[in-house]
Amino acid sequence: DADVTQTPRNRITKTGKRIMLECSQTKGHDRMYWYRQDPGLGLRLIYYSFDVKDINKGEISDGYSVSRQAQAKFSLSLESAIPNQTALYFCATSDTLMGAWNEQFFGPGTRLTVL
Amino acid sequence: GDSVTQMEGPVTLSEEAFLTINCTYTATGYPSLFWYVQYPGEGLQLLLKATKADDKGSNKGFEATYRKETTSFHLEKGSVQVSDSAVYFCALKLNTRDDKIIFGKGTRLHILP
Repeated sequence: DADVTQTPRNRITKTGKRIMLECSQTKGHDRMYWYRQDPGLGLRLIYYSFDVKDINKGEISDGYSVSRQAQAKFSLSLESAIPNQTALYFCATSDTLMGAWNEQFFGPGTRLTVL
Repeated sequence: GDSVTQMEGPVTLSEEAFLTINCTYTATGYPSLFWYVQYPGEGLQLLLKATKADDKGSNKGFEATYRKETTSFHLEKGSVQVSDSAVYFCALKLNTRDDKIIFGKGTRLHILP
């Protein structure tokens, strides 16, 4: 079984709709992240969370919100989707106990299309 | 600001060719450096990493050496295979509270049989 799972894997929606993307992990990691990937732009950080009560904005948080329901779950919401939010979204986790040089582990991604 | 620059793709090689994907970085402090690989339809996987100057990361025949003097972390493989076709991302992480990883834009690699 995958350590970091994302649902749904694909979603097509219309402008103005509210969308939630979910991420779950079984790695026992305390840190979780949401990125979006756009062609030619690499990955950009949307939000990150160090634990349930510690949530922080990344470089492109406008138009997004998050919820850390439990240590293992981190959801990303688009309150009113717009076409330029069409992208591939990745959740990632890492472990504080691994030290400052800890790697991040990525989920398989959610492809979101906003029409 | 902190940034990662890697060679633009796509890069197309024949099987068994030598591979180099260039990566340079700009950072304050002393970052850790990573190469991630993304196979079609999948998320990113860590390929290798180096945490201090002159360290060499290696995995699956790939290597990269942390060169502080040239601020580089070039990815190399002596003999590529069709199965190496993927997108490769160079990245850095600073030892700061936000734990942010800064990714390059990615280099798509095509290996022809």
